[in-house]
Amino acid sequence: KQEVTQIPAALSVPEGENLVLNCSFTDSAIYNLQWFRQDPGKGLTSLLLIQSSQREQTSGRLNASLDKSSGRSTLYIAASQPGDSATYLCAVFTGGGNKLTFGTGTQLKVEL
Amino acid sequence: GAVVSQHPSWVICKSGTSVKIECRSLDFQATTMFWYRQFPKQSLMLMATSNEGSKATYEQGVEKDKFLINHASLTLSTLTVTSAHPEDSSFYICSARPVGTGSYNEQFFGPGTRLTVL
Repeated sequence: KQEVTQIPAALSVPEGENLVLNCSFTDSAIYNLQWFRQDPGKGLTSLLLIQSSQREQTSGRLNASLDKSSGRSTLYIAASQPGDSATYLCAVFTGGGNKLTFGTGTQLKVEL
Repeated sequence: GAVVSQHPSWVICKSGTSVKIECRSLDFQATTMFWYRQFPKQSLMLMATSNEGSKATYEQGVEKDKFLINHASLTLSTLTVTSAHPEDSSFYICSARPVGTGSYNEQFFGPGTRLTVL
């Protein structure tokens, strides 16, 4: 059974700081990994999708890496802003179960 | 493109009543839609996979007679919570996978429906 863990569970940083969010998964037989953002009481916004054959994806100030063999992914946020405050979720798509398994989330707060 | 809507965005109902939630893909067709549930401060848990024209596949521990899923067209899936009770209060989110894309392709998520059962 696939299990996805995110560390840290919560993070508070001053504006402008670069930060790294971590995601680990137990079953490396994945098709892809996605990072999402969720604002309080809202749905999910897809940030980055990394296919299993890829090592990283970039979008603006966001960079996500994937090391499938070790079951790890990181989301790097450069020059953080208060508007980045949200919960960040990673999710892996496992072919065996044909479904997305979500991590526990990292609640990020960027302070002025 | 790839917009998914949900209706209603929030609903409050009395215990024992049934509630229907709609999930629509607005600008694409989807043979497969997914229903998730999210309790406060927790992550999303897949409840069931909805396939157009066939029965839904439910995850272990999810009662199919309580959570009725219908996927009657390529743009609409509905989730009906029957005889709702306070413990069913949660945030329900659907997602849709476009026709012609494989399992490795992206799912697009709706904005969620907040259900509160009194």
